[in-house]
Amino acid sequence: DAKTTQPPSMDCAEGRAANLPCNHSTISGNEYVYWYRQIHSQGPQYIIHGLKNNETNEMASLIITEDRKSSTLILPHATLRDTAVYYCIVIGDSSYKLIFGSGTRLLVRP
Amino acid sequence: DAGVTQSPTHLIKTRGQQVTLRCSPKSGHDTVSWYQQALGQGPQFIFQYYEEEERQRGNFPDRFSGHQYPNYSSELNVNALLLGDSALYLCASSTYYRVSGNTIYFGEGSWLTVV
Repeated sequence: DAKTTQPPSMDCAEGRAANLPCNHSTISGNEYVYWYRQIHSQGPQYIIHGLKNNETNEMASLIITEDRKSSTLILPHATLRDTAVYYCIVIGDSSYKLIFGSGTRLLVRP
Repeated sequence: DAGVTQSPTHLIKTRGQQVTLRCSPKSGHDTVSWYQQALGQGPQFIFQYYEEEERQRGNFPDRFSGHQYPNYSSELNVNALLLGDSALYLCASSTYYRVSGNTIYFGEGSWLTVV
């Protein structure tokens, strides 16, 4: 079973920030939080990952709470091309597989 | 720097036939994992190959087998195809010894339809 819980769906207006939450209350100290997204009929695309500090790259920002039990992926200026299923996954360096939950289906509205 | 490449992108097979899917990992990666994604579901882990050996296996029957070549490329073979094998097959590329959360990258997948 997936170690994360995400809302099944969300929507936001184009140009606005999309904030996607994820709960991972059983995360271990050496496990990272990864985010992938999957646009219809394509392979999962890596977005960002973090251990305990907040992270930012050209695609998104990742905010991890101090207790590490939850995180939020932020797409600062959502576009229609950001419409996808977003997966939050917890995995350690010694883990050999990604366990995908149901993800959050994000719809960006014009 | 090429990413993870998979072939073919789409194929149609008949029940009982056999299929081979191919994957080339990202440059610098030595480990290939295969996932199956049925329509409307998340990807499910099939198995992982490193140093030309199957290292880990998910809950899939022996009809699913694989191979890894010295150049790290990999094949997924499925024998005696069933209608339920229709899915998107994904190849994931990584280093076997991952440190500091080294990233796992996916290819675009191979769509298999069994009729």
